[in-house]
This record gives sequence, structure tokens and C-alpha cells, in this order.
Amino acid sequence: KAGVTQTPRYLIKTRGQQVTLSCSPISGHRSVSWYQQTPGQGLQFLFEYFSETQRNKGNFPGRFSGRQFSNSRSEMNVSTLELGDSALYLCASSLAASGFNEQFFGPGTRLTVL
Amino acid sequence: KQEVTQIPAALSVPEGENLVLNCSFTDSAIYNLQWFRQDPGKGLTSLLLIQSSQREQTSGRLNASLDKSSGRSTLYIAASQPGDSATYLCAVGDDNYGQNFVFGPGTRLSVLP
Repeated sequence: KAGVTQTPRYLIKTRGQQVTLSCSPISGHRSVSWYQQTPGQGLQFLFEYFSETQRNKGNFPGRFSGRQFSNSRSEMNVSTLELGDSALYLCASSLAASGFNEQFFGPGTRLTVL
Repeated sequence: KQEVTQIPAALSVPEGENLVLNCSFTDSAIYNLQWFRQDPGKGLTSLLLIQSSQREQTSGRLNASLDKSSGRSTLYIAASQPGDSATYLCAVGDDNYGQNFVFGPGTRLSVLP
């Protein structure tokens, strides 16, 4: 069974641009969560999607948004990029069923904002 | 607001030692707790998941315990190997679905041959 895949793996953008990251969950998983990892703040929860609906949201500005498609694939968008958005962006998928909520992470997308 | 801490921040041990990593959380109303390892520049690998109703989980040389009332979890690694060198993160799922994880800062483990 294929794991969680994320594309692209590396991305370089300049301030003010926008970026879209993609995450394909493990087949059959209905929940996709996004996290930002930086050396200073560690891993922080961005949002979670389940059956195409945002079910939970972390404490990030509205420049960070996401969506989930009917096949459970998810995209995350960051608009008006700032230098501080440079980070490793991780997505995780889960069955999200009672007793089966273990999260499995993808390799991440490393975003560098110049 | 849930806060998760991990002690120690870094640990260096000789190969073969048994070791314990600690995780503490401030709000005991958790849904689950998951331990991960992360190799430099890589994503997270799930090690063990403990549901709030469970006390411990075991996988090979790893054993994780959970004490909700005291807000603590420990990860026990038996007979450590150089391949165990990584950063170990604990994450607490404290919403109704157990999908919104609050992560600790991690313990960076080095196992010396």
C-alpha cells in the first residue's frame, strides 16, 4: 500500500507570491491534516479536512487555506508569501474511524521564501 | 490550551542501553497520544498510538505508556542501536476526532556505536 505522497518536495518562491502544495493520502483514508514545521516553533497544526470539509483549524492567518477533493486528495494554499512562511509543510492522513485514528505522515514539502 | 513538553531535549547513549523518553501534557482530557520519530530533513514515522482508554502499547523494542491523570507518557527503548538515532516526538490528540495533534518539541537521541 502506497504511503502519503506530497508534491512538490522542494519549492522556492519570493515574497508576495502564492503557492499551492498537494497531498495524496493513503488509499481509503478520509482525513488529511496539514502541519507547519519550523526550527523555532516546532510542529504546528494548520487544519484538518474530512470528507471535503474543514473540520478543525489551527491558529494561522487567513493567508493559509486548504481544500479536499472527493478522492480525499488535499491541497494547501498560501497567499502573499512572507519570509516567515519558510518551513517544512507536512501532511498526514488517517482513517479517522473510531479506534483507527493513527496518523501517517508524508515526506513533506520544503518551502523557501526569498 | 494544551501544552506538550518533552524531557530531555537531547540524549546521547552508548549502544545497547535501555532508555526512557518523557512526554508531559497540561490537559488530561485527551483523545489519544502518538509517538513519532523524525530523521533529519524527513517526514515523521509513526511508532506507537495509545488511545485515551489504554495504558500502554508495545511494538518490538518499543513500549509506550500513558498516565492521563498525571499528564504523562513515556517511551521506553530497549537495547538501543545506532539506527535509533533520530528525534522523537510525542503528539497529543485533544479534539473529539483525535486528529488535531499538539506536538512536543522532541527529544534528539544519539546512540553511539
